[in-house]
Amino acid sequence: KNQVEQSPQSLIILEGKNCTLQCNYTVSPFSNLRWYKQDTGRGPVSLTIMTFSENTKSNGRYTATLDADTKQSSLHITASQLSDSASYICVVSSSFSGGYNKLIFGAGTRLAVHP
Amino acid sequence: NAGVTQTPKFRVLKTGQSMTLLCAQDMNHEYMYWYRQDPGMGLRLIHYSVGEGTTAKGEVPDGYNVSRLKKQNFLLGLESAAPSQTSVYFCASSYSFADRSTEAFFGQGTRLTVV
Repeated sequence: KNQVEQSPQSLIILEGKNCTLQCNYTVSPFSNLRWYKQDTGRGPVSLTIMTFSENTKSNGRYTATLDADTKQSSLHITASQLSDSASYICVVSSSFSGGYNKLIFGAGTRLAVHP
Repeated sequence: NAGVTQTPKFRVLKTGQSMTLLCAQDMNHEYMYWYRQDPGMGLRLIHYSVGEGTTAKGEVPDGYNVSRLKKQNFLLGLESAAPSQTSVYFCASSYSFADRSTEAFFGQGTRLTVV
């Protein structure tokens, strides 16, 4: 069964600290992996997209890594800010017949950054 | 730039009532999607459309209908609302999903409560 598992479910860190969020997936066939940020009461916003051949991709203070062999990804946040408080969702895209990709969403990690 | 706009933002329905959620995008995207988000779960695809006049079922289509009469609009209908349809509904759009770098843009969500 195609699944995306994220850990931890929730995390509290102090402003200025770094953190790493984990994503494990059992999706086949694999097309790409995306990380989204979802602020409370808002829709998800894309942070990064990585294909099979990409090991790392950065977007400002956000760095995503991908190990396609072990089917694991991580999102590292550097020098956290209060505005980083949000849910972070790992999404794996899987191609299926007709050339259309299906997005399989993890349940997300809720991050709270405290002053 | 409006992006993806959902109407309404909040709604309370009684069991058995019907309603239509409207999604409008101004990016000339071909693909549009309706998802629902429930606590502790990833977003699940209800229905999607790959172009004007087309619709297709996603993971959890039962109890919902959709229409895509105009390219920019994607409507989600509940014919007879049930408490199990209490959820947050997100609309998304994308230019295509065949390309690995294609972004999916999400609306701000509609919080629906069925009592």
